This record gives sequence, C-alpha cells and structure tokens, in this order.
Amino acid sequence: DVKVTQSSRYLVKRTGEKVFLECVQDMDHENMFWYRQDPGLGLRLIYFSYDVKMKEKGDIPEGYSVSREKKERFSLILESASTNQTSMYLCASSPRIPTDTQYFGPGTRLTVL
Amino acid sequence: KNQVEQSPQSLIILEGKNCTLQCNYTVSPFSNLRWYKQDTGRGPVSLTIMTFSENTKSNGRYTATLDADTKQSSLHITASQLSDSASYICVVSAGGTSYGKLTFGQGTILTVHP
Repeated sequence: DVKVTQSSRYLVKRTGEKVFLECVQDMDHENMFWYRQDPGLGLRLIYFSYDVKMKEKGDIPEGYSVSREKKERFSLILESASTNQTSMYLCASSPRIPTDTQYFGPGTRLTVL
Repeated sequence: KNQVEQSPQSLIILEGKNCTLQCNYTVSPFSNLRWYKQDTGRGPVSLTIMTFSENTKSNGRYTATLDADTKQSSLHITASQLSDSASYICVVSAGGTSYGKLTFGQGTILTVHP
C-alpha cells in the first residue's frame, strides 16, 4: 500500500512565524504535490515537483515555497505565516505521468493566530 | 477557463437508499475523470477513473458514468451504508498542451443516516 505521511495533523502558529510542513511518501513516486483545501473552494494546487530539486508553481503559490532535496520528501514552507493561510494542507504523490492517480496524505490542519 | 461543478453541494439520505451525485466540467481537451472519496479528517482516496472512451466504471457499490459529449459525469451509490458518509470530489485531468493539469470540483458532502 502506498503511504503518504505528513509531519503533523494539527498545528497552531502565530502570525509572522516561519512554518514547515513535511510530507514523506514510501513508494518511490516521481511526482509530489501540495494543496490547500478550504470550505467552498475545494482543493487548490500550491506547488508540485516532478523530480528531486525540481519545483513548479501551482495555482496559488504566493506566500509559499517548497523544497525537495530527496525523492521521498517534499516540504512546504510558509516564510511568514498570515491568518489567511489558516487551512487544511494536503500532500499527494503520484507514480510517473501527470495523469496517474494521486495518493494523498491525511492532511495538516494549520491555524495561524 | 477550465471548471468542474458538482451538485448537489450536500445530500442527506437514509441507510440502504441509493443516490446519484453529479459532475459537469468544461475542461478541454479532456484526458480523464476521477471520483475521489474523502472521509472527515483524512485525505481523498481514488474511487474510479474514466478516460474518453469509457462511459461506465464500477467499484463495488459505486458506479461512475461519463458522457464526454455533454461533459457530464455521475457517481451512483447503491444501497448506501453509514461508512459512505464523506465528501465526494470530481477531478478532471486535461490533455493536449495542458496535459496532466487537474481541475477539482468543490465536492458533494454526503451524509447517511441510520
């Protein structure tokens, strides 16, 4: 079974703090993704990566950065957290081609006070 | 602009009943369409995938249909169970020069009552 794990299920941070969300997948998948999910807006793609050290902006990259130093690990960084970044963050991975099924982690619910 | 619209936004049914969720999309060119199930507090899990040439795909009590001409899909759940309570998300993958780009619907929240 594919397993995608995220470092925290719940996280509370203060405005202006630097926040790291980590995602690890154990199936040697090429592609990894970060989404945020908000009520009424569905899932929105923040960044994705199709290879180590490669990254591509998604639909809403502003205020975020990412890092992929190893194939199995994809980190999402909030350089200076703001209250409008309070959300559910979901990480996903997929095997090879972009249309492969994505496997999602359990999500991190981030609250920025 | 590529869009995926799902209806209804929410649905309440009694255990044992059937229901149908709808998905309309404007994604073009089309590559494939997936339905995901997301339990509360968990990540989405893929239920079915259909390409242009497929018009029906089943996964147990879940049956998805696709009409590529009208750009509509439906997810039919038969003999619902309490464990079917979840959000169901329709996701369309683009082809052509936008190959692999995903457009997500907002989801339908299904609640099954005993």
